[in-house]
Amino acid sequence: QSVLTQPPSASGTPGQRVAISCSGSSSNIGSDTVNWYQQLPGTAPKLLIFSNNLRPSGVPERFSGSKSGTSASLAISGLQSEDEADYYCAAWDDSLTGHVVFGGGTKLTVL
Amino acid sequence: QVQLVESGGGVVQPGRSLRLSCTVSGFTFSSYSLHWVRQAPGKGLEWVAVISYDGSDKSYADSVKGRFTISRDNSRNTLFLQMNSLRADDTAVYYCTRERGSCPGEWGQGTLVTVSS
Repeated sequence: QSVLTQPPSASGTPGQRVAISCSGSSSNIGSDTVNWYQQLPGTAPKLLIFSNNLRPSGVPERFSGSKSGTSASLAISGLQSEDEADYYCAAWDDSLTGHVVFGGGTKLTVL
Repeated sequence: QVQLVESGGGVVQPGRSLRLSCTVSGFTFSSYSLHWVRQAPGKGLEWVAVISYDGSDKSYADSVKGRFTISRDNSRNTLFLQMNSLRADDTAVYYCTRERGSCPGEWGQGTLVTVSS
């Protein structure tokens, strides 16, 4: 059971816009920023979004992040076949000693 | 560009120890906090530990507290993870990451640790 809640799966057709949600609490998303990662099969995770809505250099503008209260969302517009991957959210949790918490991951299928 | 390269993984018996290393390049090592994250086969991501830029602050997941130690050598641009009393459920690919925001940012390619008799 992950601290951050993501839907286990999502899907869309090429060109569509897809959103993946990440729900937390006041001790994590509600009090700190969110990062998003893309993991293609057999590869290491790649940073897509950091500090809620900032894209590292090289990440296409099709990927965007937002946060409201204790929830965050990753949106992918102009869906492409190569976007088929697992997506994870993460946030710092300041309960007890402080630690990073991840969502359980969302498998995105491009139909 | 930012590069992180993990090493030191392998097959180890339960109860034994292993030390992972992560050598980085492409950024000022001593300016960033660094994290270890692991991923068991077929499972999601699990955060393991973080160390501050100067090594003065460390935090661990409950699952590894008291068994794993994170450390760094800023003169050698290297991050370490000393893993003692290894258990079967420590089997995973271990990634080192540079912090962005308050969480892992850029990742290495990972090193596989298998705990088995």
